[in-house]
Amino acid sequence: QVQLQESGPGLLKPSETLSLSCTVSGGSISGHCWSWIRQPPGKGLEWIGYIYYTGSTNYNLSLKSRVTISLDTTRNQFSLELSSVTAADTAVYYCARVQVEGPTYIDYWGQGTLVTVSS
Amino acid sequence: SSELTQDPAVSVALGQPVRITCQGDTLRTYYASWYQQKPGQAPVVVIYGKNYRPSGIPDRFLGSGSGNTASLTISGAQAEDEADYYCNSRDTSGSVVFGGGTKLTVL
Repeated sequence: QVQLQESGPGLLKPSETLSLSCTVSGGSISGHCWSWIRQPPGKGLEWIGYIYYTGSTNYNLSLKSRVTISLDTTRNQFSLELSSVTAADTAVYYCARVQVEGPTYIDYWGQGTLVTVSS
Repeated sequence: SSELTQDPAVSVALGQPVRITCQGDTLRTYYASWYQQKPGQAPVVVIYGKNYRPSGIPDRFLGSGSGNTASLTISGAQAEDEADYYCNSRDTSGSVVFGGGTKLTVL
């Protein structure tokens, strides 16, 4: 059973860079596509971007200028960096595995981690 | 980027069928998938592709689609089905898109 676990700071100040990691256990990061998704408190899901095991990325156009997703296959981890955060970036951040060969869907999610941006 | 539109809220009497819809031009080309999210929990996929149910999802959950609309039908809603439901799909650039979500209340 594949499991994903997010880790990283839960509180940031405006203009700082959000950095989160996702550790994948129970399966290899190779051969799959990995994504970050966020959910502001009381609101819906927003896709941030994904990275293939090859390193190829695809980002939400609305966040593209501030987002970097990277892989560390040696640690079976992938990471998110979001620069110049504001209060609008306060959300639960989920890491997830995306199936993209055939219908696109997310089959595994992390439990989510709340990141709050406040001065 | 593409958009997916869902009704914000739907209610259903216990044991009755209910349909939750998702509209968007990208659905003319790509299948929708559906997720159930209960308070404080991560979403769980209940339907993906044409009408595939992951292991453990009850067969009262059914997916369908026509034109620019995808539908999730619960054939007889149970109390435990009360949750938020999200559709998602992709667009021609490979970007993932989510609907705004539908809050299902079981009366």
